[in-house]
Amino acid sequence: GESVGLHLPTLSVQEGDNSIINCAYSNSASDYFIWYKQESGKGPQFIIDIRSNMDKRQGQRVTVLLNKTVKHLSLQIAATQPGDSAVYFCAENNAGNMLTFGGGTRLMVKP
Amino acid sequence: KAGVTQTPRYLIKTRGQQVTLSCSPISGHRSVSWYQQTPGQGLQFLFEYFSETQRNKGNFPGRFSGRQFSNSRSEMNVSTLELGDSALYLCASSPGGSRAGANVLTFGAGSRLTVL
Repeated sequence: GESVGLHLPTLSVQEGDNSIINCAYSNSASDYFIWYKQESGKGPQFIIDIRSNMDKRQGQRVTVLLNKTVKHLSLQIAATQPGDSAVYFCAENNAGNMLTFGGGTRLMVKP
Repeated sequence: KAGVTQTPRYLIKTRGQQVTLSCSPISGHRSVSWYQQTPGQGLQFLFEYFSETQRNKGNFPGRFSGRQFSNSRSEMNVSTLELGDSALYLCASSPGGSRAGANVLTFGAGSRLTVL
């Protein structure tokens, strides 16, 4: 498949364990944040989002936590599955559809 | 419903040539954004079009341009190609609200450009 990043930080987890992917953002004025998942050969796929007036938001097997004090975002994946293997990006959205993406983290799930 | 369609999926050009990439958004979506993805720089915003007008622009040279048609389909053009333009070019569509967070962007699979 196509490589989306040759030197990405990698998180390796055992199938069934929980995964935590972290992201630091740069703009303290950002008011909307999104996590995307990108599988090889595909474009980024929306996972979950959160507004700056929230600290936590939960989806199906995923939770996003926002710490505005230290400009930190995290994505928690419960009971990680092989299908979760991908590159994960956080993004901040300040205006319209202009997203500023983080560098990405590669998640590898061991069976 | 059909997703975001980008053509061509792969193409090879030589330095100095120009290239045009096409994006068909999800039906009913009026905003189309373009991003460049490289291993070194990651995902970077190029520009956004809404109702045939450029609404936002990233920090790329004037060699990178785009346009949007009345049916919301969009094209981007890169002139005088350089080796560093080799990248995956991603198109994303959304319904079109201008406020941050008003839309979820849906990405296409991208056009992989290799410049030799």
